[in-house]
Formats: sequence, structure tokens, C-alpha cells
Amino acid sequence: AQKVTQAQTEISVVEKEDVTLDCVYETRDTTYYLFWYKQPPSGELVFLIRRNSFDEQNEISGRYSWNFQKSTSSFNFTITASQVVDSAVYFCALGNTGGFKTIFGAGTRLFVKA
Amino acid sequence: DTGVSQDPRHKITKRGQNVTFRCDPISEHNRLYWYRQTLGQGPEFLTYFQNEAQLEKSRLLSDRFSAERPKGSFSTLEIQRTEQGDSAMYLCASSVTGAAETQYFGPGTRLLVL
Repeated sequence: AQKVTQAQTEISVVEKEDVTLDCVYETRDTTYYLFWYKQPPSGELVFLIRRNSFDEQNEISGRYSWNFQKSTSSFNFTITASQVVDSAVYFCALGNTGGFKTIFGAGTRLFVKA
Repeated sequence: DTGVSQDPRHKITKRGQNVTFRCDPISEHNRLYWYRQTLGQGPEFLTYFQNEAQLEKSRLLSDRFSAERPKGSFSTLEIQRTEQGDSAMYLCASSVTGAAETQYFGPGTRLLVL
């Protein structure tokens, strides 16, 4: 069965702190995709990144970075120098190669205090 | 290029009434998905269309739920005889068929059944 676990329900940090959101997944597929989405208070899910199972290179985009480790089935997300605007719920998700069935974790709510 | 749009954004109804939601995907996207999200949870897959064909339905989609995408463009999701347990955010997403699909989400329709 496919499953995504985000063990951190809520995280609270002070602005400018670094924060890492954990994601652990389970799948029997050899080819799959991993995603991170951000859901701000407005409610719309915003796509952040996609990774396929064959590409374990870490990625950095501005203050965001992602660490994909197939050996531990983890796809963690780090925000460097957090800002108040980063406050949102962040979802990790697992997709199959057909793309149609994406399994989401329960989300991590991030509070960044000024 | 406009994103995915959903209408209405909010709906309050009484138990037993029927409701219908509309989703307009990104114009060149041939795949369309419906998800349901309850408080504190990630989105749960309900169904998806490739063009006008409904190719997959979740067991979450009871007989009271029906979705259509008659011309392969916009889609509607109807809930008949609503129950209080149907109260949730209903999210629509769209994507383009490909090896590494990313689903782009609309703002959602928040349903409250009284």
C-alpha cells in the first residue's frame, strides 16, 4: 500500500530560523514521484517541487531545499531563514507513474513568528 | 494563462439537499481530478478524468456522488441528499498527460451541510 507520513503536526519557529519538515513514504513501485505543496490560509494548494524516484539529487530553490533519500524513503523539506509569509500547511505527496492517484500526507502546519 | 478555477467558493446547504460544484481546469490540461479535504487532513482522491472519460473512482465516492466532464473541458461534481459528513473542502486539480505529471489545484469549494 502507498502511504505518506508527516510526523510533525505543527512546528513553530521565530523568523529567520531554519526549519525542516519531514516526510516519509511507503510504496512498492519502483518508479514514483514525490511532491511538496504549500497551502496558505487562503486554502489553495500551491505546487512547490516534484522529484522522480530516479533522481536523488538534492535541490535548492532560493530559501527552499529538498533532501531526497531513497534508502530511508524520506523526502525532507528545509526552509532557510524562515519568514512570516512561510506560515502555511505543507503537504508531502506521492504519485504513481500514471500520475492520476496522488497520496497526500496529513500535512505539517508551520507557524513563523515575527 | 489562468489557473484552475472553482465555483462556488463556499456553499452552505441543509441536510438532504443536492449540491453541484463546477471546476474549470487549465485550458490545455487533459486530466482533471477531484479531491476532498477535511479539517486537519491532506486531500483525499475522489475521481479523475482523462478528457471526458472518468477513469478511476475512489471508494470514498459513494452512490450519492457523481462527477461528469461532458466535453473534456469543465467538470461538475454533484452530491445528492447531502449529509453532515459531506462537509469538507472539495478541491479540483488538472494536469497534462506525461511521464512526470504535476497536478495544479484550484482554490476549492468549501461545503457546509447543516
